[in-house]
Amino acid sequence: NAGVTQTPKFRVLKTGQSMTLLCAQDMNHEYMYWYRQDPGMGLRLIHYSVGEGTTAKGEVPDGYNVSRLKKQNFLLGLESAAPSQTSVYFCASNRAGYEQFFGPGTRLTVL
Amino acid sequence: AQTVTQSQPEMSVQEAETVTLSCTYDTSESNYYLFWYKQPPSRQMILVIRQEAYKQQNATENRFSVNFQKAAKSFSLKISDSQLGDTAMYFCARSNDYKLSFGAGTTVTVRA
Repeated sequence: NAGVTQTPKFRVLKTGQSMTLLCAQDMNHEYMYWYRQDPGMGLRLIHYSVGEGTTAKGEVPDGYNVSRLKKQNFLLGLESAAPSQTSVYFCASNRAGYEQFFGPGTRLTVL
Repeated sequence: AQTVTQSQPEMSVQEAETVTLSCTYDTSESNYYLFWYKQPPSRQMILVIRQEAYKQQNATENRFSVNFQKAAKSFSLKISDSQLGDTAMYFCARSNDYKLSFGAGTTVTVRA
């Protein structure tokens, strides 16, 4: 099992560009999450999904959109990147009541 | 907002010694889960230990153990016989429905 994978691992964008981060899990988990990690702030929840076809806003959703068309995939989109979105992004998945399994992270720099 | 607080930004410990990381949280739920995650320089988030709030017994995993004080909403992590490989950032997290709220993290450095 690959667990949780993220694509890409690194990316540099210019302000105003768009991109999509892909998260995939092969554990048949119902729940999936996108976090961002910034120095001194821990992980903050951007969006999450409790099942295929459903999404919901987390703590810091502005400037991001998500889609979960297939159970195993959870996409995070940035329509118009801003320097404030420079961060490390983590995807995670789990079953209810159990620990979340994390992907390796994506380091995004917006110039 | 329901928060998780880790009051120690950094800690240093001599190899083979013991270090304790503090974590406090707030919640209005009666049943929830608490976690400690480790993030080494590789950036990968690794589960260290898990505690169900309805269980009075403190969880242990090899050299890692917790002191869970439900009434005080405290969840500290003790690392015994510290090893160089324990050098990492440690995050405390509390479940909120099926979501997690994380503390800001404590950087632990193990000295040889």
